[in-house]
Order: sequence, then structure tokens, then C-alpha cells
Amino acid sequence: DAKTTQPTSMDCAEGRAANLPCNHSTISGNEYVYWYRQIHSQGPQYIIHGLKNNETNEMASLIITEDRKSSTLILPHATLRDTAVYYCIVRRLITGTASKLTFGTGTRLQVTL
Amino acid sequence: GAVVSQHPSWVICKSGTSVKIECRSLDFQATTMFWYRQFPKQSLMLMATSNEGSKATYEQGVEKDKFLINHASLTLSTLTVTSAHPEDSSFYICSARDRGGWNTGELFFGEGSRLTVL
Repeated sequence: DAKTTQPTSMDCAEGRAANLPCNHSTISGNEYVYWYRQIHSQGPQYIIHGLKNNETNEMASLIITEDRKSSTLILPHATLRDTAVYYCIVRRLITGTASKLTFGTGTRLQVTL
Repeated sequence: GAVVSQHPSWVICKSGTSVKIECRSLDFQATTMFWYRQFPKQSLMLMATSNEGSKATYEQGVEKDKFLINHASLTLSTLTVTSAHPEDSSFYICSARDRGGWNTGELFFGEGSRLTVL
């Protein structure tokens, strides 16, 4: 699976949009971009994933560049509860199998008042 | 989303004893479960892949005789840390994928089990 590069940490004011970047310049055509987050002392939580189109769900939006070499996770209105480590992971999705997730160091997002 | 539950949430044991951690998929069946370990201020490291009805697959550097994995049913996998030592103190997390339903590929994670070995 392709490697990813994320900033170590970011701050965001409560109520503002949090934009978390991820570089994955070696991504292959059959690899998806996944985002998970981990709140302190809890298991990771799935946020969103995409292949090449932008995606949106109730938690966040995922913007993938046309060349797919980078992406941005957007939390439209960050709250204090969004303070967590956010992991950007690239992996192949093989129908019918459960391929493993390899976690990098992630971005520690601190939402402040 | 699907629910994965771990038990116990935290455990303290004496050095040399064995500890079992359970991982259950509560509302779905999981052919495959994954076990991760996380040390303080570090990322999650995959330890092994647990396959229902067959032997687990361990990552390089993980001792299979020390970390025993059993996946006897489609809803339960167990990790036993044998002869635990203080360096085994860590946060252990399992994850699973719903084998049925819409194949979106996301894995669901348990709440984690914090092991402290004295």
C-alpha cells in the first residue's frame, strides 16, 4: 500500500472548518484513500473513504485532487469533541476480503475555544 | 455503524501471568479480525490477522507463541498474552470487517484494552 504524509499537528478554532491535508504521491489506480480518527484512549473511528471522486457524509467531506496524489479531509464545523489524531491511509480494496489497515503517525488536531 | 466490543477495557496483572482479551463483533459476522498494539504517543502497529477456523497470521517480529490468537467463531476472537512482562504493557485494539452487507471496506474497531503488567 502507498505511503502517506501528514502534518504532525494542527490547531483549529471551534466552529471553523478544519482542513487536514494528506499527500499520497505514490498511490496506485486501485488504491482508495481512507480516513480514520482516534480520540484519546479509544479505538479508531472510521470517517470516510474515496477513490477519485469527492465524497461527503454526515461527519466530513473528502476532497481528492484530480491526479489523486493528495487529498484533504474537511470537518465543516469543528467542535471540541473533534480533537483527535486523524489518520490518512491508502489501501487497496479487494472485494470479498478484509485487507489490513497500516497506520502512519497521523495529524493531531487540537480544536480550541 | 457496526459494533466491535472488547473485554476487559483495562487489566492489571503480575509479571509472569497470562492475560486473555476478547474481541466480539456484536451485530455482524467477521471472518477476519485484526489485532493491533499501541504504545504511548505512538501509532497503531498491526500484530496479527485472525482468521475464523484457521491459524492466525502474524506480522514480522511478533512472537506467535507469546501472543496466542484464537478465532473460534464468526463473532469472537481472543488474544492471550502469555507470561506477560512489563514491556508488554500497552493498549491492545482489535478490528473487524462485516463479511456481509455492502462492501465499503471500512474496518470497525473495538474500544481497546489497556494492559498494565507489574
